[in-house]
Amino acid sequence: SQQGEEDPQALSIQEGENATMNCSYKTSINNLQWYRQNSGRGLVHLILIRSNEREKHSGRLRVTLDTSKKSSSLLITASRAADTASYFCATSPIQGAQKLVFGQGTRLTINP
Amino acid sequence: DTAVSQTPKYLVTQMGNDKSIKCEQNLGHDTMYWYKQDSKKFLKIMFSYNNKELIINETVPNRFSPKSPDKAHLNLHINSLELGDSAVYFCASSQDYFVGHSPLHFGNGTRLTVT
Repeated sequence: SQQGEEDPQALSIQEGENATMNCSYKTSINNLQWYRQNSGRGLVHLILIRSNEREKHSGRLRVTLDTSKKSSSLLITASRAADTASYFCATSPIQGAQKLVFGQGTRLTINP
Repeated sequence: DTAVSQTPKYLVTQMGNDKSIKCEQNLGHDTMYWYKQDSKKFLKIMFSYNNKELIINETVPNRFSPKSPDKAHLNLHINSLELGDSAVYFCASSQDYFVGHSPLHFGNGTRLTVT
């Protein structure tokens, strides 16, 4: 199965509300990244959090990492219609080849 | 504009044909990748190249052959296309070979449909 698994698979909220997406993974990692994919476009990097970090902020984004639980969360505050997209976590495993392993993504819909 | 660009954006072809997808990055990155995204949005690495050398070949059928003429280009040639090859193919690049250290920059994808 995929290294990273996002939860929920789909999330629909009202504009202005906060959106939280979770990611779980199986093996020890160097770091974890979150990406956004708008419909019909490529993935865009949002934030990278290293294994020795617990929390990171970037604008309206807040990412947490709990290596003991092998999980991460992405919080988008004060959501906007333009945040509608799919969000993917990607892990860089310590063992094995140099590759990012992506989850299936969370489809986020912001309703105006 | 600095970017990862891939062509074509759409590719519709019949089973058995051979097709190529081209990718170019002008970010000065040393490492380039091909990823495949299936209909369920799973994104899986196919190949990675570092400075024109193949680093990762993720058990992809021999019908898929990447070629990197220089470190700014990574093309993907597919022989004898099958229905199951239908997917969106993404090219990406990163500054660092140690992939976790720097983000990937993706192209906008090539939607391949095999009929």
